[in-house]
Amino acid sequence: EAGVTQFPSHSVIEKGQTVTLRCDPISGHDNLYWYRRVMGKEIKFLLHFVKESKQDESGMPNNRFLAERTGGTYSTLKVQPAELEDSGVYFCASSHSGGGQPQHFGDGTRLSIL
Amino acid sequence: GQQVMQIPQYQHVQEGEDFTTYCNSSTTLSNIQWYKQRPGGHPVFLIQLVKSGEVKKQKRLTFQFGEAKKNSSLHITATQTTDVGTYFCAARSSGSARQLTFGSGTQLTVLP
Repeated sequence: EAGVTQFPSHSVIEKGQTVTLRCDPISGHDNLYWYRRVMGKEIKFLLHFVKESKQDESGMPNNRFLAERTGGTYSTLKVQPAELEDSGVYFCASSHSGGGQPQHFGDGTRLSIL
Repeated sequence: GQQVMQIPQYQHVQEGEDFTTYCNSSTTLSNIQWYKQRPGGHPVFLIQLVKSGEVKKQKRLTFQFGEAKKNSSLHITATQTTDVGTYFCAARSSGSARQLTFGSGTQLTVLP
């Protein structure tokens, strides 16, 4: 099966600009997660979709971040306006329904804010 | 919120030596998963532990879940250069939804 794909792989933008990250989960996976890893630190949870609904968005840092999953397929994560501290690697992961399912990660988007 | 402490942050070993990374939580965990991220790659699921005191093995890797379900360890016997990468534990607390809390990771370097 095709894995989780993320686009772009790398984005360099200036502070104040807008960036949209995209994630295509594995087909059939209802659960979709966004994570962020900053400067070699831990992978921090941002939010979790079940199909098109936001199940948990407690990890979203502030209202400059907007995630959507229209139709319950791919998801986008928009940062507007971007700030320096938003730099990091943004990972998307997906999993089947059911407790304790392994999460399959994409290769991530490396976001650099100048 | 839940925190998972993982040590050490870095570990350098000679090829053939053993390696262990530890994770600790202040709260009882529902289960714990382990992931490996190769340099430049993405986290890849290794295993999940659910039962108190559970021990699972994958070739040279041994995973343990503490009796109190608050700590876990990953031990690699006789490391090889292919073991290089960052190992993360990821825990789900009892009663929570599917959110995973990741440890900070242990970056393993294996010297030939």
